[in-house]
Amino acid sequence: KAGVTQTPRYLIKTRGQQVTLSCSPISGHRSVSWYQQTPGQGLQFLFEYFSETQRNKGNFPGRFSGRQFSNSRSEMNVSTLELGDSALYLCASSPGLAGTYQETQYFGPGTRLLVL
Amino acid sequence: AQSVAQPEDQVNVAEGNPLTVKCTYSVSGNPYLFWYVQYPNRGLQFLLKYITGDNLVKGSYGFEAEFNKSQTSFHLKKPSALVSDSALYFCAVRDSGGYQKVTFGTGTKLQVIP
Repeated sequence: KAGVTQTPRYLIKTRGQQVTLSCSPISGHRSVSWYQQTPGQGLQFLFEYFSETQRNKGNFPGRFSGRQFSNSRSEMNVSTLELGDSALYLCASSPGLAGTYQETQYFGPGTRLLVL
Repeated sequence: AQSVAQPEDQVNVAEGNPLTVKCTYSVSGNPYLFWYVQYPNRGLQFLLKYITGDNLVKGSYGFEAEFNKSQTSFHLKKPSALVSDSALYFCAVRDSGGYQKVTFGTGTKLQVIP
């Protein structure tokens, strides 16, 4: 099976712009989670989607949003970019069997966003 | 609220020596515990997890971890370190109570010295 893919891999934006990142999970996986990784804050949970529904959300401002499509692909959007949004954004997928939270998450290579 | 602590930012060990990367956690219910490794400019790779049962969990690349409920710890271990084990290691926890996000530790950089 192909792994989790994320596009684009690298992105440079300027303050005030908006950006959309894409994640394609492993085939058959229905759960997708997003994380922000920075040297200072480590891995911070953004949100988790299962069957097109957001079932958990981290402590990020409303500028960060996401969605999941019927084929389980997911996108996250950041509006009005700030310098502090520069980070590696990681997507992870898991089978998403309803009611089980013991599943392993499989991570994509990430999208590195630089905000100038 | 749940939390994970990795008390060491960096661990240095000589090649061939045993290694330990420490992790402690706090959850309200029963924990699901995970270890991941990250190589430079890569995503995270799964190493092992504890769900229930035997407290000693064996994983990929010769790594193992011991679940200790009384000390709320889940330390990662390997009997003999390799230079190629040098990477960033993350411990993560999820509360079995359901609808809880995964919480990651801050990561421990493992440096194996030839």
